[in-house]
Amino acid sequence: DIVMTQGALPNPVPSGESASITCQSSKSLLHSNGKTYLNWYLQRPGQSPQLLIYWMSTRASGVSDRFSGSGSGTDFTLKISSVEAEDVGVYYCQQFLEYPWTFGGGTKLELK
Amino acid sequence: EVQLVESGGGLVQPGRSLKLSCAASGFTFSDYNMAWVRQAPTKGLEWVASISYGGSNTRYGDSVKGRFTISRDNAKSTLYLQMDSLRSEDTATYYCARRTVGIFDYWGQGVMVTVSS
Repeated sequence: DIVMTQGALPNPVPSGESASITCQSSKSLLHSNGKTYLNWYLQRPGQSPQLLIYWMSTRASGVSDRFSGSGSGTDFTLKISSVEAEDVGVYYCQQFLEYPWTFGGGTKLELK
Repeated sequence: EVQLVESGGGLVQPGRSLKLSCAASGFTFSDYNMAWVRQAPTKGLEWVASISYGGSNTRYGDSVKGRFTISRDNAKSTLYLQMDSLRSEDTATYYCARRTVGIFDYWGQGVMVTVSS
């Protein structure tokens, strides 16, 4: 199985500052078709997860442009510019290159 | 507006069965692949099972293979998860999700399943 490992944030993050969340996969998620099979989700407290970024760098519909995704085949970053109160929650990366589809353990964002 | 509403959860004894349902609305259900994802209390997300838009292709996570069955009724716009031989480690909130390939773009509010004697 592909193992997804997420880094921690130096919480709490001051409001208005930027934050970068890292995710590493045990296998390259770059397919021969040129696409990287990596998604990001946010789960706000008490809510269901919501899709933020798919194909590593494409923002989902309605997602603020303060969120951006980047990376290589095995190392990925979700950047949040100018963190706001509504960004608080747990962020998950997920690979869908191979079954079983797997998620990272989550990275908690707290606001100062 | 896309809506996914799960039901059927509750408290069940180990070894017993439970069937979850997910009623979909706001989109053409038969055009979309679907999935179940679960989250144990205070834990992260775990993909459970997926099904193709027509229902002919299904895949399962190793922890539920042989015990859970995903299915759908496109005429009723409803997704199901039949859970047999339940174990304490199956205790979780179960989310129904619409998917395109492995991208979960809409999620339900979740339904809690507790396996305990």
